[in-house]
Amino acid sequence: DAGVIQSPRHEVTEMGQEVTLRCKPISGHNSLFWYRQTMMRGLELLIYFNNNVPIDDSGMPEDRFSAKMPNASFSTLKIQPSEPRDSAVYFCASSRDLGGSEQYFGPGTRLTVT
Amino acid sequence: TQLLEQSPQFLSIQEGENLTVYCNSSSVFSSLQWYRQEPGEGPVLLVTVVTGGEVKKLKRLTFQFGDARKDSSLHITAAQPGDTGLYLCAGRRTNAGKSTFGDGTTLTVKP
Repeated sequence: DAGVIQSPRHEVTEMGQEVTLRCKPISGHNSLFWYRQTMMRGLELLIYFNNNVPIDDSGMPEDRFSAKMPNASFSTLKIQPSEPRDSAVYFCASSRDLGGSEQYFGPGTRLTVT
Repeated sequence: TQLLEQSPQFLSIQEGENLTVYCNSSSVFSSLQWYRQEPGEGPVLLVTVVTGGEVKKLKRLTFQFGDARKDSSLHITAAQPGDTGLYLCAGRRTNAGKSTFGDGTTLTVKP
């Protein structure tokens, strides 16, 4: 079975550019999570969805960040405009539902903003 | 303020040694998970504990949830180089709530 799929795996962009990260959750999973991982701040939850509806976006750092889940098999995290301090590894994870605690993580997207 | 404190932050040991890493909080959790993350990959779930005092074993790994459900430990017996990685604990305060991750313990097992 395919796990959580993220693309691209690596993204290098210049400050001010728009960045779009993509995620395909595990089929049948109803909850999807976006995390950011840095050495300084560890693994931070940015936003999560349940049945395609955003439940909690309190972790989204600024208005430059936005996330959508147009259907059960696809989600995007967009940064516009990007800044060097956005450089991090961004993970998408999915779980069967919010009541189940097991989250399955994708391989991550390593973002570098120069 | 970090909700979950993990210690030690870094640990480097020789193959065959035993070790324990800790995950502590002042908050009560409905469940707590342990993940291992290898370089270039996402965290992989090792175990979930839900009952105070619960002990779970996964081969050479023993996980314990504190009686008050505020802390947890991971003990590895006879560590192997394949155990090298970042060990993360994550707690959920309600059954439908989000998970909060600790900063992790980076373990290096030298052959």
